[in-house]
Amino acid sequence: SQWGEENLQALSIQEGEDVTMNCSYKTYTTVVHWYRQDSGRGPALIILIRSNEREKRSGRLRATLDTSSQSSSLSITAAQCEDTAVYFCATDAQGGRALIFGTGTTVSVSP
Amino acid sequence: GGIITQTPKFLIGQEGQKLTLKCQQNFNHDTMYWYRQDSGKGLRLIYYSITENDLQKGDLSEGYDASREKKSSFSLTVTSAQKNEMAVFLCASSPGLGEGQYFGPGTRLTVL
Repeated sequence: SQWGEENLQALSIQEGEDVTMNCSYKTYTTVVHWYRQDSGRGPALIILIRSNEREKRSGRLRATLDTSSQSSSLSITAAQCEDTAVYFCATDAQGGRALIFGTGTTVSVSP
Repeated sequence: GGIITQTPKFLIGQEGQKLTLKCQQNFNHDTMYWYRQDSGKGLRLIYYSITENDLQKGDLSEGYDASREKKSSFSLTVTSAQKNEMAVFLCASSPGLGEGQYFGPGTRLTVL
């Protein structure tokens, strides 16, 4: 799972498999963002889940949020090679004006 | 849609040199951000700005200055480049509180 300044975690899977990555956060947040970052590019928002939602889906992506344990997860169903990327979670900071990013999870999907 | 442009894409400087990175957005977003991403690490906030001429410090502001000259542009200055701050610098903008951020492609800084 992600938090703090630890090195990136890495997950390697085969095409067609499901994968889940976790994110734990320390301070209260009203929203958890999930971003993906492809090599050589800036992060791109893929799903945003708010504190009044327990689950949110977008295509093959599913995010969950458990405010009591201050944790969120992102699942990819039937992963494809193009899902290979680094995935970051981020939570509110500075009254919602800024974000605190997790350390990221590298997902590698092979054919 | 919109786009965030960062210049230059690659920046090479000497240790102790003052270096400026530029960012432009055409989303018409109020808030803009500068992050630093070290190799193999997550993003750390350097500065952000909620409107023209506003500046707010992030956790990593020491050694950096920023300037929000107009709504669409946000510059970051490395006041005295050090070898340990070789990283990718990412600019982002956001339409409002609790909304997602849109990132530029980054500027990769190398210090010789």
